[in-house]
Amino acid sequence: TQLLEQSPQFLSIQEGENLTVYCNSSSVFSSLQWYRQEPGEGPVLLVTVVTGGEVKKLKRLTFQFGDARKDSSLHITAAQPGDTGLYLCAGARGSNYKLTFGKGTLLTVNP
Amino acid sequence: DTGVSQNPRHKITKRGQNVTFRCDPISEHNRLYWYRQTLGQGPEFLTYFQNEAQLEKSRLLSDRFSAERPKGSFSTLEIQRTEQGDSAMYLCASSPTAPGTGELFFGEGSRLTVL
Repeated sequence: TQLLEQSPQFLSIQEGENLTVYCNSSSVFSSLQWYRQEPGEGPVLLVTVVTGGEVKKLKRLTFQFGDARKDSSLHITAAQPGDTGLYLCAGARGSNYKLTFGKGTLLTVNP
Repeated sequence: DTGVSQNPRHKITKRGQNVTFRCDPISEHNRLYWYRQTLGQGPEFLTYFQNEAQLEKSRLLSDRFSAERPKGSFSTLEIQRTEQGDSAMYLCASSPTAPGTGELFFGEGSRLTVL
């Protein structure tokens, strides 16, 4: 059972475009993290959101946690080729130390 | 470099052979995790250590898999009698706190190919 559904699965855009990727679940998470993974590397944390409705900005990246803490979105403004990678969302439930990952969104930004 | 270190980075083996992967976490981190990632999937939880104690094992971890962290520092993941379905990237991560509030620091992974 995939607890976290990410969409779209693949996204190919031109440099300068904006994009949004989504992470949805029917389960409530105590927190949700977004990671970025490059080929042959391990995931690297971008942000952790904890409070329902929370919005965090990291330069051109904006992360939002849904009010019910079941979903999240990542918006990238003016995408650059360096943004290319696999974007993973991961949820933690209660005090559970395990993260449940989505399948990821593979983003390609073409120059 | 004081990040999480994994070796070997790549391992190609024949079906039926045993393989062992090693993970050296960030030195002050007392929590260590193993995840498995196959092509087109996100990482899947395998097991978790707090210091030397293995506190949880996923159902994905069959009897052919064993993980240890004998001194609460480095960890090993052994796969016995490998099968083609074991081909994947094995990721190790460490953290000083629960992942719900902190972050997991991942290594670069050990990619296993079973022929």
